[in-house]
Amino acid sequence: DIQMIQSPSSLSASVGDRVTITCRASQSVIYSLNWYKQKPGKAPHLLIYSASTLQSGVPSRFSGSGAETDFTLTISSLQPEDFAIYYCQQSYSLPLTFGGGTKVEIK
Amino acid sequence: QVQLVESGGGVVRPGRSLRLSCAASGFNFNTSSLHWVRQAPGKGLEWVASLSSDVTAVYYADSVKGRFTIFRDNSHNTLYLQMDRLRPDDTAMYFCARATFFGAINFFDYWGQGMLVTVSS
Repeated sequence: DIQMIQSPSSLSASVGDRVTITCRASQSVIYSLNWYKQKPGKAPHLLIYSASTLQSGVPSRFSGSGAETDFTLTISSLQPEDFAIYYCQQSYSLPLTFGGGTKVEIK
Repeated sequence: QVQLVESGGGVVRPGRSLRLSCAASGFNFNTSSLHWVRQAPGKGLEWVASLSSDVTAVYYADSVKGRFTIFRDNSHNTLYLQMDRLRPDDTAMYFCARATFFGAINFFDYWGQGMLVTVSS
């Protein structure tokens, strides 16, 4: 199974800050890496697929980069609605696996 | 618009069975790959099972293999998860999700609201 390790597990930031979350795969997933955002009590929703492609309707302050084993999700200017938990997920091979999540909290 | 609505959750004793349903609308159900993903209370996301549009490809996480069965009724646009021999560690919010494929790339682009399953004596 491919293990996905996210860091940090949590962070505190202020509105307007630039935030970076990293995701490392235990083996290469090429570009098969997706990012999701989840608010408390809600279903996750897709932000970025194929490492860097922004899902339709997602604000442009979100961006993704990386390949093989190392990936990054960046929020260029944190907004109040961005405080949530973010998960990476590899879709390269079964079983599909998620990172442990990064909780973005208000400083 | 696309909707996935789960039902069938609840409290069940260990060793018993439960069936979840996921009613879909707003997209071509017959050509869609569908999955179940779960989230234990306060924990992260765990993929559970997947079923291709033509039902030829069925896959399960090791944690549920032999106990859970994913199936679909294309005539009623409904996905199911039959859960047998339930254990306390199956307690979780269960989400159904649609997967979209672009070549070798795939991702969950729509999710249901989730249905809580609690396994407890």
